[in-house]
Amino acid sequence: KNQVEQSPQSLIILEGKNCTLQCNYTVSPFSNLRWYKQDTGRGPVSLTIMTFSENTKSNGRYTATLDADTKQSSLHITASQLSDSASYICVVSARTSYDKVIFGPGTSLSVIP
Amino acid sequence: NAGVTQTPKFRVLKTGQSMTLLCAQDMNHEYMYWYRQDPGMGLRLIHYSVGEGTTAKGEVPDGYNVSRLKKQNFLLGLESAAPSQTSVYFCASSYMVEQYFGPGTRLTVT
Repeated sequence: KNQVEQSPQSLIILEGKNCTLQCNYTVSPFSNLRWYKQDTGRGPVSLTIMTFSENTKSNGRYTATLDADTKQSSLHITASQLSDSASYICVVSARTSYDKVIFGPGTSLSVIP
Repeated sequence: NAGVTQTPKFRVLKTGQSMTLLCAQDMNHEYMYWYRQDPGMGLRLIHYSVGEGTTAKGEVPDGYNVSRLKKQNFLLGLESAAPSQTSVYFCASSYMVEQYFGPGTRLTVT
């Protein structure tokens, strides 16, 4: 069964600290993996997109890694800011299939001063 | 560019009532999607469209219908609303891999 799991479910960190969010998936055949940021009451916004051949991709203070062998990805946030408080969603797509896009349940991150 | 817009933003329906959610995009994207988001779960695909005049079922299509008469618009209809359809509905459009989401419609069915 195609699944995407994320951990932790929620996380609270102090402003300025780093954190790492995890994503494990069983989607096959793999096409790409995306990380989205969803602010409360808003739609998800793309942070990074990685294909099979990419191991790491950065977007400012956000760095995503992908291990296609173990089917794991992580999102590392450096020097967190209050505006990083949001839900972070891992999304995995199966190859060339518009409807095989599996969304993880998200990790809720709260950055406190 | 407005991107992806959705109307209405909020709606309360009684069981058995009908309504239509409108999604519009101004990016000339071929692909459009309707998702629902429920607490503790990932977004689930309801219906999608790969071009004007085409629609297809997603993971959870029961109780919903869609139409894509114009390329820029994707309508989601509920013919007879049920409490199980209480959710936040997101529309998205895409070119290649990148998906762009609307702000969502919060629907409550009592």
